[in-house]
Amino acid sequence: EVQLLESGGGLVQPGGSLTLSCADSGFTFSNYAMVWVRQAPGKGLECVSSTSDTGGATYYADSVKGRFTMLRDNSKNTVYLRMNNLRVEDTAIYYCARDPGFSTGADYFDYWGQGTLVTVSS
Amino acid sequence: EIVMTQSPATLSVSLGERATLSCRASQSISSILAWYQQKPGQAPRLLIYGASTRAPGLPARFSGSGSGTEFTLTITSLQSEDFAVYYCHHRGTFGGGTKVEI
Repeated sequence: EVQLLESGGGLVQPGGSLTLSCADSGFTFSNYAMVWVRQAPGKGLECVSSTSDTGGATYYADSVKGRFTMLRDNSKNTVYLRMNNLRVEDTAIYYCARDPGFSTGADYFDYWGQGTLVTVSS
Repeated sequence: EIVMTQSPATLSVSLGERATLSCRASQSISSILAWYQQKPGQAPRLLIYGASTRAPGLPARFSGSGSGTEFTLTITSLQSEDFAVYYCHHRGTFGGGTKVEI
């Protein structure tokens, strides 16, 4: 059974940092691209970052470029999202998801974690 | 940057009725489109990818169609568990969502 389990969310002050983790099981992790998608309270979905199966190609939304870093450790079946210089508008539930279509440019997200809440507030 | 626009924002339907949700791309995206369903307090769930391919286990009452700039998600004979928000998605860009309510 495919499982994605996020952790690391919490309350942080503006300007602070946080690292999210997504531990995956039930599939050959190193064969799949992964993505972080966030959802602000009461709002829609926003892709924050995605990375290829090897981690050799990583993309970021303009809203987080230069502040967020997505990494993966294929030996631990885990992806990370390092978030620096956090802003109030980064407050959201952060989901990790698997992307089987990344390599063909036809990405879609077939399995999702349950999400972890990040709250940026003073 | 491609913009994905969904309509209507809210769709009021009755049990057993047909629901038709629309998604429009600001430029042609071939058939590179996915649809997701999200219920309150839950993560999104993949329904359709490649504009018309159903995800494994998805009931046959869900279908996707379209190509280029116009896409449709159709739910025939709405069930109680189908009331949710639906999002279309193209290469990292989501539409604003359509809420299907009673």
